Amino acid sequence: EAQVTQNPRYLITVTGKKLTVTCSQNMNHEYMSWYRQDPGLGLRQIYYSMNVEVTDKGDVPEGYKVSRKEKRNFPLILESPSPNQTSLYFCASSLFGRASYNEQFFGPGTRLTVL
Amino acid sequence: AQKVTQAQTEISVVEKEDVTLDCVYETRDTTYYLFWYKQPPSGELVFLIRRNSFDEQNEISGRYSWNFQKSTSSFNFTITASQVVDSAVYFCALSPAQGGSEKLVFGKGTKLTVNP
Repeated sequence: EAQVTQNPRYLITVTGKKLTVTCSQNMNHEYMSWYRQDPGLGLRQIYYSMNVEVTDKGDVPEGYKVSRKEKRNFPLILESPSPNQTSLYFCASSLFGRASYNEQFFGPGTRLTVL
Repeated sequence: AQKVTQAQTEISVVEKEDVTLDCVYETRDTTYYLFWYKQPPSGELVFLIRRNSFDEQNEISGRYSWNFQKSTSSFNFTITASQVVDSAVYFCALSPAQGGSEKLVFGKGTKLTVNP
């Protein structure tokens, strides 16, 4: 089944404790992206990757890191999480290296709480 | 810069009513794509439609229809004969077709509640 998977789905952590949210897709998609969703703000793009070893900042990259060593994986790293990073996070992928060319497939979301 | 405005934060209707969700966008690009996504209470994001800026024909898919008007920079979404299962948050989004098209800019969403 074609899908985007994220792990963990739920995470409660404390300020400053490094964490990684994994994202994997099995559709051989070039483009992958991370978004955060906050009440009243909609979805905002954190980072995106147009292909392996090609990543760039979205609109709200502060406090996050990403890497794209393999085509299928695009982990989101929070080196020192803070309470303002409490949010619902979505990973997405699409076939080509452009967000506009085709639909983005979204993962199920990761709800992160930073205490 | 791109911007998407969904002025209706929440809408509540009774089943079988028609409802229109508004989407107004801003972009300096001449070529761009517009999207609608649905987020049901279960939380996942479901792709509904993608339109490019050169195609202003209205689209109909079952009870769903989309009205794209370049002159008013709007891409409105209408649900005919709404059902309880249509209850969700709906997001409109915009992406340029070239140069910067790596980004997808979302509106803040409209929460639709369809009451039985």
